Amino acid sequence: NAGVTQTPKFQVLKTGQSMTLQCAQDMNHEYMSWYRQDPGMGLRLIHYSVGAGITDQGEVPNGYNVSRSTTEDFPLRLLSAAPSQTSVYFCASSIRFDGEKLFFGSGTQLSVL
Amino acid sequence: SQQGEEDPQALSIQEGENATMNCSYKTSINNLQWYRQNSGRGLVHLILIRSNEREKHSGRLRVTLDTSKKSSSLLITASRAADTASYFCATGSASKIIFGSGTRLSIRP
Repeated sequence: NAGVTQTPKFQVLKTGQSMTLQCAQDMNHEYMSWYRQDPGMGLRLIHYSVGAGITDQGEVPNGYNVSRSTTEDFPLRLLSAAPSQTSVYFCASSIRFDGEKLFFGSGTQLSVL
Repeated sequence: SQQGEEDPQALSIQEGENATMNCSYKTSINNLQWYRQNSGRGLVHLILIRSNEREKHSGRLRVTLDTSKKSSSLLITASRAADTASYFCATGSASKIIFGSGTRLSIRP
């Protein structure tokens, strides 16, 4: 049972490039979410999904897109990378959407030059 | 702005002592959770307390919740070197789980 899998683990982008961070879970969880963590800070919610076909914005959605075509996958797209998006990105899932405990992936360290 | 704020931001104690961290939040919640993050790793769920509960225990962890004061505390008893980590509270309401800024706990041998 792999849990929540994020790829890649590290990525360096140039300003203006686009890319997709992948997240997959094999626990049949309804709820999936993306957070970013800046140095010395807590996690800020970017986007979340309560089920396939349903997504919504979190605290800091600007510059990011998501989609949820299947229960398992929840990719995060950076449309035009900016240095301010340099951060560690975490994907998380939970069995349902009413605030139950989250299972986290190991994170993607993204640097935008 | 973040929902939860932990206090203190950093805490250093001797191995074997108890560690207490506090969390304050702003809006009504369904539950409050505590997570641990070891350096360079993802977060691991420790304990969840629902809004109608006042205290919960799990091993060496004790969590209290005071919804009238919008605050929670996490007590780690008999601390060990392996408890060195950052600890975050997270409030759950509707479809969002919002994290605080964390407490960095260091256990001195």
